[in-house]
Amino acid sequence: GQNIDQPTEMTATEGAIVQINCTYQTSGFNGLFWYQQHAGEAPTFLSYNVLDGLEEKGRFSSFLSRSKGYSYLLLKELQMKDSASYLCAVRVRNSGNTPLVFGKGTRLSVIA
Amino acid sequence: DTAVSQTPKYLVTQMGNDKSIKCEQNLGHDTMYWYKQDSKKFLKIMFSYNNKELIINETVPNRFSPKSPDKAHLNLHINSLELGDSAVYFCASSQVAYQGRLNTEAFFGQGTRLTVV
Repeated sequence: GQNIDQPTEMTATEGAIVQINCTYQTSGFNGLFWYQQHAGEAPTFLSYNVLDGLEEKGRFSSFLSRSKGYSYLLLKELQMKDSASYLCAVRVRNSGNTPLVFGKGTRLSVIA
Repeated sequence: DTAVSQTPKYLVTQMGNDKSIKCEQNLGHDTMYWYKQDSKKFLKIMFSYNNKELIINETVPNRFSPKSPDKAHLNLHINSLELGDSAVYFCASSQVAYQGRLNTEAFFGQGTRLTVV
C-alpha cells in the first residue's frame, strides 16, 4: 500500500515562517505535489518536485529528498489567508494517467 | 472561464435513491478522475479515465458507476445511496504525464457535497 504522512494540525503566527513536513513510502515515485485547500473549496496546486532540492515560488518553497522519502512545504511571511489545509500528494507510477495519491492533509491556522 | 466544473454543488437525498453528479473540463486534458473526500478531509481516488476509457477503479462498491461520453466529460452515477456515501466528491483532470513532462498537476472542480439522510 501507499503511505503518505503529514502532521494533522499546525498553528503559526502572522508574519512568521512555517514548515509542513511530509514523508512517504510508496511503491514507486514520479513526483511530489503540494496543494492548498481552503474550507469548502477545491484543492489548488501549489508546487511540484521530482528532483532533490528546493523549488521556490514567491512566499512558498518546497523541498524534496528522494532518498529519505521526505518533502516539506515552507511558507514565509504568513498571512491570515494562508489558513487552510495543505495536502501532500505523490504520483506513484510513471504512467501518463496515474492519479495522485494524497496524504491526509495538514490544517494550518494562522493567528494574529 | 471555469476549467473543471461539476454539478450540483450540493445534493441532499434519501437512502436508497439513485443520483448522478456531472463533470466537465474545458482544458483539453486527456485524463479525468473522481476523488472522494470524507469528513476527515482525506482525499481518496475512486476512478481514473483516459480518453473515455476506464484506467483505474479503486476498491469502490459496484453501486458507483462512472460514465465518460467523451474525454471532456466524466459523470458519476450512484445507485442505492447509503449513509456512508455522504462526503464531498471532487472531479479532476490532468494532461497525460510522460517522460520529460511529469509536472502535470491535477485541476479540481469545486466539489459536490453529498448528504444522504
